[in-house]
Amino acid sequence: RKEVEQDPGPFNVPEGATVAFNCTYSNSASQSFFWYRQDCRKEPKLLMSVYSSGNEDGRFTAQLNRASQYISLLIRDSKLSDSATYLCVVNHRGSTLGRLYFGRGTQLTVWP
Amino acid sequence: DGGITQSPKYLFRKEGQNVTLSCEQNLNHDAMYWYRQDPGQGLRLIYYSQIVNDFQKGDIAEGYSVSREKKESFPLTVTSAQKNPTAFYLCASRSTSVETGELFFGEGSRLTVL
Repeated sequence: RKEVEQDPGPFNVPEGATVAFNCTYSNSASQSFFWYRQDCRKEPKLLMSVYSSGNEDGRFTAQLNRASQYISLLIRDSKLSDSATYLCVVNHRGSTLGRLYFGRGTQLTVWP
Repeated sequence: DGGITQSPKYLFRKEGQNVTLSCEQNLNHDAMYWYRQDPGQGLRLIYYSQIVNDFQKGDIAEGYSVSREKKESFPLTVTSAQKNPTAFYLCASRSTSVETGELFFGEGSRLTVL
C-alpha cells in the first residue's frame, strides 16, 4: 500500500464551482500535512499546511481526519487560475528525519 | 532574496555521458532533497541529506550520486548507469528544527537524453 494516495482526477469544473479533493495516508504516526500546488512544467509551491483543527485561507479550506487517516482540500468559487495539479504531502513522526511522502497529485481544470 | 537555485534549467545529454545538476540554497536549511518527476507522475525521491557530509538513498537512487560538502550545496550527478534519465529534476530544502517545516523547491532542471 502506498504511503499517500490521491484520486488523480482529472476534475473538470466550471468557474464558480466548489470542488473537493481527498488524500489518504497509511501511517497513523503521520504528523505534518501539506497541500502543494503545481502548475504545468513548474515546481510545486506550498498552498497550505493542514492543522488538526482544520484551517481556512480565503477560498481554500483544509481539514484533517486522523481517525480515518485522510486530509481534504475544498476550493470554493473556483477560478480559472486554480487550474493546476494539487499534491498531498505527509511527514511521519519518528520517521527518518526529514522524509516526506508525496501523493501523485490531483489534476484540476476550471473552465469558463 | 532567500531561495533555492537550480542550474541548468534545460540540459541535453548524449547517451553514455554523466551530467551534474547544481542545487544551491541560502535559506540556512539543514535538509536537502532531490526528486525526479516524469510526465503525469508524482515526485519520486532520489537522495536526501539531513546534514553536511551525510546523505541517504531515496526510492530510486540507482544510477545517481550526490555529495553534501557544504550546507548550501547538494549537487546531483546523473550517471551513464541511469537507464532512463530523461525527466524533470527538482531540488528542495527544508528546516529540520521545525517539525512542521515546509519544503521549498527550486525551479527544476529538465534533462533530455538524446
